[in-house]
Amino acid sequence: DTGVSQDPRHKITKRGQNVTFRCDPISEHNRLYWYRQTLGQGPEFLTYFQNEAQLEKSRLLSDRFSAERPKGSFSTLEIQRTEQGDSAMYLCASSLVRDYEQYFGPGTRLTVT
Amino acid sequence: DQQVKQNSPSLSVQEGRISILNCDYTNSMFDYFLWYKKYPAEGPTFLISISSIKDKNEDGRFTVFLNKSAKHLSLHIVPSQPGDSAVYFCAASALTNAGKSTFGDGTTLTVKP
Repeated sequence: DTGVSQDPRHKITKRGQNVTFRCDPISEHNRLYWYRQTLGQGPEFLTYFQNEAQLEKSRLLSDRFSAERPKGSFSTLEIQRTEQGDSAMYLCASSLVRDYEQYFGPGTRLTVT
Repeated sequence: DQQVKQNSPSLSVQEGRISILNCDYTNSMFDYFLWYKKYPAEGPTFLISISSIKDKNEDGRFTVFLNKSAKHLSLHIVPSQPGDSAVYFCAASALTNAGKSTFGDGTTLTVKP
């Protein structure tokens, strides 16, 4: 069991640039979640997939954010025209449909300068 | 409007004593509650959970208590060990919301040798 992996672990970018993060879930997990976490706060839900279908998006997810999960395997989260307020830890988690427990990756820390 | 609240940002206890972490929620639709532990530079890891049809769940040194009428849950760690030092997040889910979790802001537990 290799767990949930995320790449890159750290990303520093300049304001206005686009960034893309990747998440590889546990292979048999149908559901995949993206969360954002800022200092001193808990993870905030952004979006989730069941297999390849994106079933819910938080209102926190502005039009600059897009997520995909082609073929129901890995997922990507893209942020266009980054802003300093996008600086955060982006966490990916996966689970089986029948389970509430989620397995988290180590996160991608984004710093927008 | 924060639906899951952990009012104590930090807690310090002596090794061997009991640690009690508290969590309050406001949404009556939540029917499953989880605790996650997070070490620095890692994603949260699932610790223990409880369904709303129960009032107690025990797993080794960890026990979670749920008081539905008060919309309150607590995590008891007995005896506390230095390796338990971490950030603990309370999370709540609703079956009607596809298992998506709403997190509190966390409590940093420090167990002193």
